[in-house]
Amino acid sequence: SQQGEEDPQALSIQEGENATMNCSYKTSINNLQWYRQNSGRGLVHLILIRSNEREKHSGRLRVTLDTSKKSSSLLITASRAADTASYFCATAAGGTSYGKLTFGQGTILTVHP
Amino acid sequence: DAGVTQSPTHLIKTRGQQVTLRCSPKSGHDTVSWYQQALGQGPQFIFQYYEEEERQRGNFPDRFSGHQFPNYSSELNVNALLLGDSALYLCASTLRSGTGNMGSNQPQHFGDGTRLSIL
Repeated sequence: SQQGEEDPQALSIQEGENATMNCSYKTSINNLQWYRQNSGRGLVHLILIRSNEREKHSGRLRVTLDTSKKSSSLLITASRAADTASYFCATAAGGTSYGKLTFGQGTILTVHP
Repeated sequence: DAGVTQSPTHLIKTRGQQVTLRCSPKSGHDTVSWYQQALGQGPQFIFQYYEEEERQRGNFPDRFSGHQFPNYSSELNVNALLLGDSALYLCASTLRSGTGNMGSNQPQHFGDGTRLSIL
């Protein structure tokens, strides 16, 4: 079963615009990770935010985490056509669940040139 | 620096058959996890291998089994294939040894997967 939900399920924007994707989860976590998947390919790790962090940046990516609301958001600024992909959030519970990632359903992002 | 490699890339089987998928982890990694991704869904955790033992298992039947070899590579075996086993099977690796507090603050590196189709 999936840990939570991602919103929106699909997002279509123009190149240069910002894209925001949201993720909610159900149980306590050790960290939350975001991955990108191009069609038919494997997942590429984008960013990891620990449960004691509230915001993290990496290049054009900004991730926030609100553990009280059990939610996270991924912001991609100044989007490019190459950002077109599916984006997944994944939670890691830690402890005896070491290394097990529980994924959301994903957001399909389409960036039009 | 080789990333995670999986073989084969595509496979077609019929119901009732058995299949073996293979994975070589990223250089320097010692832990391998397997995920099943149905079309249009997020990956679902099958199991994880570390030190040649299954350490964790997701909600998958015993038809799904695995193995890890001394060189850290891994196999996923599925017996008595069902139509519902059609999916992309992803292998992910990470480094666990020496990461201290049993926390999972390590990103996982994924292969491009094996697309399994059951007829």
